[in-house]
This record gives sequence, C-alpha cells and structure tokens, in this order.
Amino acid sequence: AAGVIQSPRHLIKEKRETATLKCYPIPRHDTVYWYQQGPGQDPQFLISFYEKMQSDKGSIPDRFSAQQFSDYHSELNMSSLELGDSALYFCASSFDRGGGYTFGSGTRLTVV
Amino acid sequence: GENVEQHPSTLSVQEGDSAVIKCTYSDSASNYFPWYKQELGKRPQLIIDIRSNVGEKKDQRIAVTLNKTAKHFSLHITETQPEDSAVYFCAASNGREKLTFGTGTRLTIIP
Repeated sequence: AAGVIQSPRHLIKEKRETATLKCYPIPRHDTVYWYQQGPGQDPQFLISFYEKMQSDKGSIPDRFSAQQFSDYHSELNMSSLELGDSALYFCASSFDRGGGYTFGSGTRLTVV
Repeated sequence: GENVEQHPSTLSVQEGDSAVIKCTYSDSASNYFPWYKQELGKRPQLIIDIRSNVGEKKDQRIAVTLNKTAKHFSLHITETQPEDSAVYFCAASNGREKLTFGTGTRLTIIP
C-alpha cells in the first residue's frame, strides 16, 4: 500500500541557508501535518493543512513557512537556518482529520 | 491546548515479563488515543489506538485501556520480547486536529 513519501531523506545545510522539505500524502488523504523531532525529544507539531488551507499552527518559527498544493502534497520551507533547526522532520497524513495518522519516513536535517 | 504526560520515561523489564506505560491528558474533548513505537532514526509506527467510545482494546500481546473520567490511558505489553525494545509515545487528539505527544518511554527488554 502507498505510504506517506518524504523527500529528501537527508539534508545538510549551512547556517543561514534555506531548505525545502516535501511531503506526498497517502492518496485520498486530505490533511497533512508537519512535526519536528529533536534528539531524544517527542515530535513537536509545527503546522497542518486541510484541503489545501492551513488548519492549525503550532510552534513553527516565523522563518518557516509551508503550503499544501492542489495535488495535496505539501512543502515546508525553512529560511535563515540555525544550528537548532537540526532535527528529524516528519510529515503525517490523514483523511478528513479523522485520526488514523500515517507518518512518513522523515527528513533528517543537519545544519552545520 | 492539550497536554499529555507520560510515565515512566525509562522502563527495563525481563524478557517474558509485562510492561505498562501510562499517560494522562488534559483536554476532555480528546477522543482519539494512539500509541506509537519508534526505533532510533525511524518514523513513529502506530501499534494500537483507541477511541473514546471504548474502554479497552487488545491486539495479540498489546492492549490499551482508557479511563475517560480520570483522563488517563495505558499501554500494556505482555510476554515481552527483545524486539519490543524501542521508544514508545502516547498521543491524544480530538480526532480533527493535530496529535499531541507524550514525552516518550524508552523500553528496554533484558534477555
């Protein structure tokens, strides 16, 4: 069965650079969630989209932005990267926000 | 917003024994409670979930119980095996919004 696809799997950036993470949800899933997980931490909610509109916002820095496109894939744009942005970034999708979240394999971002 | 507390943060049990992890939540509107297993550097994997209209759910060696009145839910793993070693997260949601995670329990199964 198709899963949530994230790209890239690994990304190394320098401080002050920008990064774009992509997420392709399970077909027919209309809701996408982004989470950030630091080492030894629980996943922290960043932002979510339902039917291409932002539906909820968590602890997402102003340097980050995201959107969901007409094909339901989502992109997380991160600018002015800081060392503290190094983390695993997970995307999850669900249908009609009804639970049953499925996580992607994540993108490991390392800022040097 | 929702706040989920999880205990213990670390747990070691002998192979074959049972493990219990407990979580409490604060938002009475939460009605969906999944449990995830996460291995180092991997995605959280859903192992079992429960909705607020039931009090208990079981899937082979794994069970979850929910007490809505007390706002707590627990994960029970019986006959533990070395491959059960991982970090386990509980989470809560009102079924229409984000998951709020607990802080995780590192479970170690001692052979």
